[in-house]
Amino acid sequence: ETGVTQSPTHLIKTRGQQVTLRCSSQSGHNTVSWYQQALGQGPQFIFQYYREEENGRGNFPPRFSGLQFPNYSSELNVNALELDDSALYLCASSPTTGVQFFGPGTRLTVL
Amino acid sequence: DQQVKQNSPSLSVQEGRISILNCDYTNSMFDYFLWYKKYPAEGPTFLISISSIKDKNEDGRFTVFLNKSAKHLSLHIVPSQPGDSAVYFCAASDNNNDMRFGAGTRLTVKP
Repeated sequence: ETGVTQSPTHLIKTRGQQVTLRCSSQSGHNTVSWYQQALGQGPQFIFQYYREEENGRGNFPPRFSGLQFPNYSSELNVNALELDDSALYLCASSPTTGVQFFGPGTRLTVL
Repeated sequence: DQQVKQNSPSLSVQEGRISILNCDYTNSMFDYFLWYKKYPAEGPTFLISISSIKDKNEDGRFTVFLNKSAKHLSLHIVPSQPGDSAVYFCAASDNNNDMRFGAGTRLTVKP
């Protein structure tokens, strides 16, 4: 059984650019959540997808968007990048209800 | 708004002694609480959870206590081991899709 994987591990972008981060869920999990973790803070909930539909959203602007695919893998897209978007982005998968299991994260740096 | 708070950014204990990590929350709708630990360059790893219908859950060296009236939970690790050194996050949710995290407590267990 493979765990949650994320790609890329590191990414450097400049202000105004767009970025796509990817996540493969743990086998058997149909729910995926995305979190942003800024330095020195806990993860902040961005949104969750369940069976390809958005199933909850945190306090993030619309330029943060996502997709979940039929195989339950997922993407996080961020448009018009700002310096404050620099953070560790974490993906977590879970069964319909239950504990969320996290991937190793993608470190995004916006210059 | 910070609905989950970990007021101690760091904790240092001697190997073999008890580690007690604390967490407070403000939202009375939270009904599921989790502890994750995080090593550098890795995603958070699930440690232990408790639902609001219980006041204690134990798993080996780890015990989580929940005091609903005080909106407080704690994680006890006994005996502490050097390998327990990590950042510990407390998390809470009311519907499993919007999980709120504290800012974390860095535990150092000295040999």
